[in-house]
Amino acid sequence: DAGITQSPRYKITETGRQVTLMCHQTWSHSYMFWYRQDLGHGLRLIYYSAAADITDKGEVPDGYVVSRSKTENFPLTLESATRSQTSVYFCASSTTGGLRNQPQHFGDGTRLSIL
Amino acid sequence: AQSVTQLDSHVSVSEGTPVLLRCNYSSSYSPSLFWYVQHPNKGLQLLLKYTSAATLVKGINGFEAEFKKSETSFHLTKPSAHMSDAAEYFCVVSDGNNDMRFGAGTRLTVKP
Repeated sequence: DAGITQSPRYKITETGRQVTLMCHQTWSHSYMFWYRQDLGHGLRLIYYSAAADITDKGEVPDGYVVSRSKTENFPLTLESATRSQTSVYFCASSTTGGLRNQPQHFGDGTRLSIL
Repeated sequence: AQSVTQLDSHVSVSEGTPVLLRCNYSSSYSPSLFWYVQHPNKGLQLLLKYTSAATLVKGINGFEAEFKKSETSFHLTKPSAHMSDAAEYFCVVSDGNNDMRFGAGTRLTVKP
């Protein structure tokens, strides 16, 4: 079935380690997004991508790296994980980035714990 | 800059009674507004959206919301709550420049 898939669903790691969260979508949507969800903050945009090889920072990009070599994949990397990056991470996709008329479609999230 | 305030962090209703989830927004432009629902351990699902057409917007599962520019509000309502409506609800504003701002969320509890 078409959709947006995140992996892993759960991850525990230690401070200082590198960790990569994967996101794959089958709709061929141009835009993809990474959010983190923390209690009391709703969702905050980390990075987004308008197309393959085009990425841009969101509201909270520090400590994260993204790449998009293929339209369907948008991995998020924490190069040196910190405890403050413990969160639930959501990937989303959309047909347009203007977001005025097009909703985003979300994956089920990755719960990341950094010890 | 745009922002969203969800006025209640938690709302509790009895099954069969009306639901009101309140949302105020701030935007320099004519905004688009969305309501999303999140069930436990799931991603967000779109309930409805306002994009400068009719001010009363109907969504899925019997929900609707009214855009009131004079009050900068976009409250979500449902005439009769169902147990399956228990979830977290997010109000979202977008000015169309690849920037969406989420409210902190309202947890809806439905009592039998």
